[in-house]
Amino acid sequence: GESVGLHLPTLSVQEGDNSIINCAYSNSASDYFIWYKQESGKGPQFIIDIRSNMDKRQGQRVTVLLNKTVKHLSLQIAATQPGDSAVYFCAENRASGGSYIPTFGRGTSLIVHP
Amino acid sequence: DSGVTQTPKHLITATGQRVTLRCSPRSGDLSVYWYQQSLDQGLQFLIQYYNGEERAKGNILERFSAQQFPDLHSELNLSSLELGDSALYFCASSPRLGNYEQYFGPGTRLTVT
Repeated sequence: GESVGLHLPTLSVQEGDNSIINCAYSNSASDYFIWYKQESGKGPQFIIDIRSNMDKRQGQRVTVLLNKTVKHLSLQIAATQPGDSAVYFCAENRASGGSYIPTFGRGTSLIVHP
Repeated sequence: DSGVTQTPKHLITATGQRVTLRCSPRSGDLSVYWYQQSLDQGLQFLIQYYNGEERAKGNILERFSAQQFPDLHSELNLSSLELGDSALYFCASSPRLGNYEQYFGPGTRLTVT
């Protein structure tokens, strides 16, 4: 079946560096994508989203890029801080009956060294 | 704190048993989602309810069922439990049906022995 996957299971960076987390998706019917952050012992937390009719969206210190041609999604975190250490998931969402059905990637663990 | 509460926090039970997990959404949120997170399967969408009605279904087993009550809290029932059902179960809520920003609860860790 179709799936969402991540290229790098673990990413280690130094504090202050920029981080890039990648995600590949395979369902061309997906029209909405979300990045989540999950800290140890907590539930996932919404970071940023992007619709399929966009190729870039910026938030506070985060930018999501969408390349529909190669079905690739990335999350860029500027000036990474120790508090950014967490597992990051991408999720593709497929419209269904007025709602959305999400499919999640396996996650990338981001480790920020002070 | 997301405003979503889940009980219990931990649950240990035996194979073949039945358990009920409870979720209270954020105040005012009409939509509730259930997810299962395991080491081998990752985070998987199970089911969504909106204002008491089932609206979307994911990889939910027939042994599992859910409902959303008039006060908008939701319960996930897991029956004939198997070892492989051991996982974290998350509930999330959002204000509207097609609202994308979901607020996740802290999860219930289920251990089946």
